Amino acid sequence: DSGVTQTPKHLITATGQRVTLRCSPRSGDLSVYWYQQSLDQGLQFLIQYYNGEERAKGNILERFSAQQFPDLHSELNLSSLELGDSALYFCASSVGTGTLSGANVLTFGAGSRLTVL
Amino acid sequence: EDQVTQSPEALRLQEGESSSLNCSYTVSGLRGLFWYRQDPGKGPEFLFTLYSAGEEKEKERLKATLTKKESFLHITAPKPEDSATYLCAVQASDYKLSFGAGTTVTVRA
Repeated sequence: DSGVTQTPKHLITATGQRVTLRCSPRSGDLSVYWYQQSLDQGLQFLIQYYNGEERAKGNILERFSAQQFPDLHSELNLSSLELGDSALYFCASSVGTGTLSGANVLTFGAGSRLTVL
Repeated sequence: EDQVTQSPEALRLQEGESSSLNCSYTVSGLRGLFWYRQDPGKGPEFLFTLYSAGEEKEKERLKATLTKKESFLHITAPKPEDSATYLCAVQASDYKLSFGAGTTVTVRA
């Protein structure tokens, strides 16, 4: 157990629907990252939050949004789902924003597997 | 744009047969290079961080090295439990972490 908790583990839904993935970071970590991993692509960075504020944005689609709440848990919202959105979605957390040695190390959760039919 | 290329894509080894994985990168201002291990259906697990050329780190049968353009992960006398996908990632000056596609290592007993 890495200390990063993601729910749900598996999710099957239909095209056009909306889902929410939830992540609780490791105790003491202030940064949360979201990554997408599909078979034909590696881990793709989506977005990072630090202590409730958005810090960095990657290749996140406009149909996707995220936020980090005061208790530091984060949610990734995926809407108007398409077949191509089927993937593993990973949440990771770290102590800081990456500016300090050691604060760069990301701890990953077990992932949420999304299947869009 | 930051790029991370890992080779080979797949590596099949006999138990005890040492080998190396390569990670070549192009990044604007390298802040750190990371190696992770990922088992099927699980999240990546941190192995090493390297910060400057010439740096080396070891953990059990794994040793990571870094030059200005690439990193190597050496697996010495591997065992079946070393079978996994090994991911390389670089952190650029904007602190974003970019991952390579990984090398899937299979070690046969």
